[in-house]
Amino acid sequence: EADIYQTPRYLVIGTGKKITLECSQTMGHDKMYWYQQDPGMELHLIHYSYGVNSTEKGDLSSESTVSRIRTEHFPLTLESARPSHTSQYLCASSVTLGVAGGGPSGANVLTFGAGSRLTVL
Amino acid sequence: GDSVTQMEGPVTLSEEAFLTINCTYTATGYPSLFWYVQYPGEGLQLLLKATKADDKGSNKGFEATYRKETTSFHLEKGSVQVSDSAVYFCALSDSHRDDKIIFGKGTRLHILP
Repeated sequence: EADIYQTPRYLVIGTGKKITLECSQTMGHDKMYWYQQDPGMELHLIHYSYGVNSTEKGDLSSESTVSRIRTEHFPLTLESARPSHTSQYLCASSVTLGVAGGGPSGANVLTFGAGSRLTVL
Repeated sequence: GDSVTQMEGPVTLSEEAFLTINCTYTATGYPSLFWYVQYPGEGLQLLLKATKADDKGSNKGFEATYRKETTSFHLEKGSVQVSDSAVYFCALSDSHRDDKIIFGKGTRLHILP
């Protein structure tokens, strides 16, 4: 069973509104990620965190911000939404190699949430 | 830098047909290789993985073999079902470097009854 939850699943808002997409995981994973998925399906890493109080920007520039105050929680915020922010946002987590659950194989396996589909009018 | 290239879709097949989705990679280290699947309206989920050369990952009738000599990790299934219709992503991560996951662009698969 997937133990990573995203809310809301769907959101339609007007331009200029502030929104926060929530992501929580109950697996104790130290690594968490946000991906933006365009209509062509391609995934773009926009933020990641390797632990509490650690956040980094990903490969795709994004106007969103993230925070990691607790291990289980990794919210994404847009201060002023625009139509160009319309997209599917996927949150994921993974366990550090060598930690229980990471396995002897050393593979960094992601667990994804169901996604948040944002539409900005 | 590291990269993943997979065949473009959409791929349309009839039920019970044989499936191959090609995936090749470029990496300077010793990556682990993955296939993830995304069903309509859902997030991605791990389908199978292989962590070293000649390993074969398998799950739900799907298989992929880590071929270091051809830098490939092609996904195969002998007899597809309508329920296999989804988007498939090939990916790699290198635990000896920054451990970041690199995804291919995805291949949409349609299975006709």
